Amino acid sequence: AQTVTQSQPEMSVQEAETVTLSCTYDTSESDYYLFWYKQPPSRQMILVIRQEAYKQQNATENRFSVNFQKAAKSFSLKISDSQLGDAAMYFCAYRRGSLGRDDKIIFGKGTRLHILP
Amino acid sequence: ETGVTQTPRHLVMGMTNKKSLKCEQHLGHNAMYWYKQSAKKPLELMFVYNFKEQTENNSVPSRFSPECPNSSHLFLHLHTLQPEDSALYLCASSQDRDNQPQHFGDGTRLSIL
Repeated sequence: AQTVTQSQPEMSVQEAETVTLSCTYDTSESDYYLFWYKQPPSRQMILVIRQEAYKQQNATENRFSVNFQKAAKSFSLKISDSQLGDAAMYFCAYRRGSLGRDDKIIFGKGTRLHILP
Repeated sequence: ETGVTQTPRHLVMGMTNKKSLKCEQHLGHNAMYWYKQSAKKPLELMFVYNFKEQTENNSVPSRFSPECPNSSHLFLHLHTLQPEDSALYLCASSQDRDNQPQHFGDGTRLSIL
């Protein structure tokens, strides 16, 4: 069965600094997607970044980038120039690539990120 | 095992049918949530319940009707749905509503004919 593990329940970073959130996963599939979601106090799940497993290039979105290590099954999120608005719960998630009856999304338990002014 | 159980796993229904999705948690959590995951779209928060009281409704059409009889159970009643409502519906729970880690169920895959 697929699993997603976020080993850091909470992290803190100074404003304007860089922080890396870790995520590891386990799967026997070769075709899948990985996501980082941000959940602010509003509880809306905001998609931060998405990575297709078949792509070797790491995805980037402005200040957010990932370090995707497929062989190691690692998918860390780096936030550069941290801002107060980045404070939220961050979820790493996995989904099978081929859509079908079992295309469930598997979430990690989340990492709460605090931004220190 | 996440501790949050959703049934059924899959549901196919016509636009005139009435069905219900069920979510159950025995984690002792007080807050429960419904999310919608459509193809190629990020998760959308639909409803939030805290201590059985609905605290959020994110402009969800009335054809979706939530019910929370107790802190352990959450239902989503479906009536006269549209094809665009086909999606994966996820339930989650947390200790309380203040952004605590959420535990997600496996979801119900809903297909509208």
